[in-house]
Amino acid sequence: DGGITQSPKYLFRKEGQNVTLSCEQNLNHDAMYWYRQDPGQGLRLIYYSQIVNDFQKGDIAEGYSVSREKKESFPLTVTSAQKNPTAFYLCASSTAVRGRGGANVLTFGAGSRLTVL
Amino acid sequence: GENVEQHPSTLSVQEGDSAVIKCTYSDSASNYFPWYKQELGKGPQLIIDIRSNVGEKKDQRIAVTLNKTAKHFSLHITETQPEDSAVYFCAASGMGGGADGLTFGKGTHLIIQP
Repeated sequence: DGGITQSPKYLFRKEGQNVTLSCEQNLNHDAMYWYRQDPGQGLRLIYYSQIVNDFQKGDIAEGYSVSREKKESFPLTVTSAQKNPTAFYLCASSTAVRGRGGANVLTFGAGSRLTVL
Repeated sequence: GENVEQHPSTLSVQEGDSAVIKCTYSDSASNYFPWYKQELGKGPQLIIDIRSNVGEKKDQRIAVTLNKTAKHFSLHITETQPEDSAVYFCAASGMGGGADGLTFGKGTHLIIQP
């Protein structure tokens, strides 16, 4: 079955440590996204990538970094510079053909919950 | 930029009754309005969407209405069932753009009481 796989599902980190969240998709989608979800908040865009080796900052990119070396993979690193990293992180993908409706339709992974101790 | 307000934040209804969730948006250029459902411990899933050239769209027990003049759109769920319990998010964007242009509401926690 096609879909998005995020790992790990739960992650604990000590303050001052970097941590990398994995996101893999087999949907052959060009575009991939990282969102942060906090209790009572909507989904806020961290980074997105429309094509391999290219990515753009979203609304809350500070303290995060990404890479897109393969079409299927879009890992997110939460760095020690992120002041409040405890959150639920969602990876998503979509087609990247702008000008058509499908480019807006997101397929999400199951999420990774990061807790900073 | 776009601002999407969603109400209520929590909605409790009796099983079998209807539920309505409302969203307003600020950018009159927005023309694509999806609704996502997020079950506990899972990622959101698209359940229905509407484009600005129509005023209403139905899919079995789910319907979405759009009032472009007032800049608001609503999700209607009829004959609610226990599996409808979830968090629902509305969003708005320009249809010609990518998902990076989506602005999400803060979500509504729908509780179906048996």
